[in-house]
Amino acid sequence: KQEVTQIPAALSVPEGENLVLNCSFTDSAIYNLQWFRQDPGKGLTSLLLIQSSQREQTSGRLNASLDKSSGRSTLYIAASQPGDSATYLCAVRVPGASQGGSEKLVFGKGTKLTVNP
Amino acid sequence: NAGVTQTPKFQVLKTGQSMTLQCAQDMNHEYMSWYRQDPGMGLRLIHYSVGAGITDQGEVPNGYNVSRSTTEDFPLRLLSAAPSQTSVYFCASSRFGQMSYEQYFGPGTRLTVT
Repeated sequence: KQEVTQIPAALSVPEGENLVLNCSFTDSAIYNLQWFRQDPGKGLTSLLLIQSSQREQTSGRLNASLDKSSGRSTLYIAASQPGDSATYLCAVRVPGASQGGSEKLVFGKGTKLTVNP
Repeated sequence: NAGVTQTPKFQVLKTGQSMTLQCAQDMNHEYMSWYRQDPGMGLRLIHYSVGAGITDQGEVPNGYNVSRSTTEDFPLRLLSAAPSQTSVYFCASSRFGQMSYEQYFGPGTRLTVT
């Protein structure tokens, strides 16, 4: 059974610092890995999608890497800002459990990031 | 293009009542799904659909029903609400097929069952 773990559960940094969020998964049979941002009381906003054949994706100050063989992904945030404060979730898209079963997302529990001015 | 929309945003039910959470998408996505999010549990898949007329169970389907009569809509029905169904519910959609596609989430419905 695929399990996704995010460490640390919470992180507090001063504004301007570069930081790394970690995500690990137990089964390398994934279609892709997606990083989301969730603000309190809000829905999930997709940040980056990395296909299983890719090693990294970049969007602005965000860079996500994927090492499928070791079951790890990192989300790098450069020059953090107070507006980056949110919970960051990673999720892997995996095949269905049975023949004909559909693929689904398996989520980690998230890292709550606080960027202090 | 509104993306994924959900109604209502908030709902309070009494134990035993039934209700339907609505979800719609305007991106012509084949794949739609429902998740619930609970503190300490993360997001868990309830039901999903790969097209009109096709639905299947996820990890935590008990107490919920779904149907998919159109590509756009995927309602989630609570048959007899229980306090254990107090949660935030998210609907998601994506393309589906051999390629792997990005999932888009709605804003969520916060449900309280008393």
